[in-house]
Amino acid sequence: EAGVTQFPSHSVIEKGQTVTLRCDPISGHDNLYWYRRVMGKEIKFLLHFVKESKQDESGMPNNRFLAERTGGTYSTLKVQPAELEDSGVYFCASSQYSGPNTGELFFGEGSRLTVL
Amino acid sequence: QKEVEQNSGPLSVPEGAIASLNCTYSDRGSQSFFWYRQYSGKSPELIMFIYSNGDKEDGRFTAQLNKASQYVSLLIRDSQPSDSATYLCAVNLGGGFKTIFGAGTRLFVKA
Repeated sequence: EAGVTQFPSHSVIEKGQTVTLRCDPISGHDNLYWYRRVMGKEIKFLLHFVKESKQDESGMPNNRFLAERTGGTYSTLKVQPAELEDSGVYFCASSQYSGPNTGELFFGEGSRLTVL
Repeated sequence: QKEVEQNSGPLSVPEGAIASLNCTYSDRGSQSFFWYRQYSGKSPELIMFIYSNGDKEDGRFTAQLNKASQYVSLLIRDSQPSDSATYLCAVNLGGGFKTIFGAGTRLFVKA
């Protein structure tokens, strides 16, 4: 069974440009999460989809970030326009269960974004 | 105050020793607690989860939870060089289904 896949693995863009990151969760996982890790800091929650609906987007930094999950399958995270502080590794994770005893999060390898 | 706090390390232990990793969390209503291991350049992978106060053992790993003290720990017995990684403590706040991560503790096991 394929794991969580993310694309691209690394993106280098200039300030002001647009980047779109893609995540394909494990088949059958309704829950999809985006996290971001800035160097030296903790992995920070960005948002959570349940199927195609945004369950929690409290971690999205600002309106330059737009996440979608059309059809409840893959998800995209667009950053427009990118700023220097957006650099970091963006992780996608999926899980089968939700609720108070949320099950295991399966992570993708991450998309490293470098904004110059 | 950070929601999940860990000592960043590095923690260095000799091969065969017990490695003790600690974590505290701020939200008293937290429901579920996880330890993830992340090798350099790789994605985090779950190694233990615990929901109830007390100890939970799985092979060489033991997770300990004390909700009154808002404290979670991970013990690794008979540490191996392959255990060298960053260990992330994660807490699920319940209700809103969000899992919050600590910054991680780097562990080095010396052969």
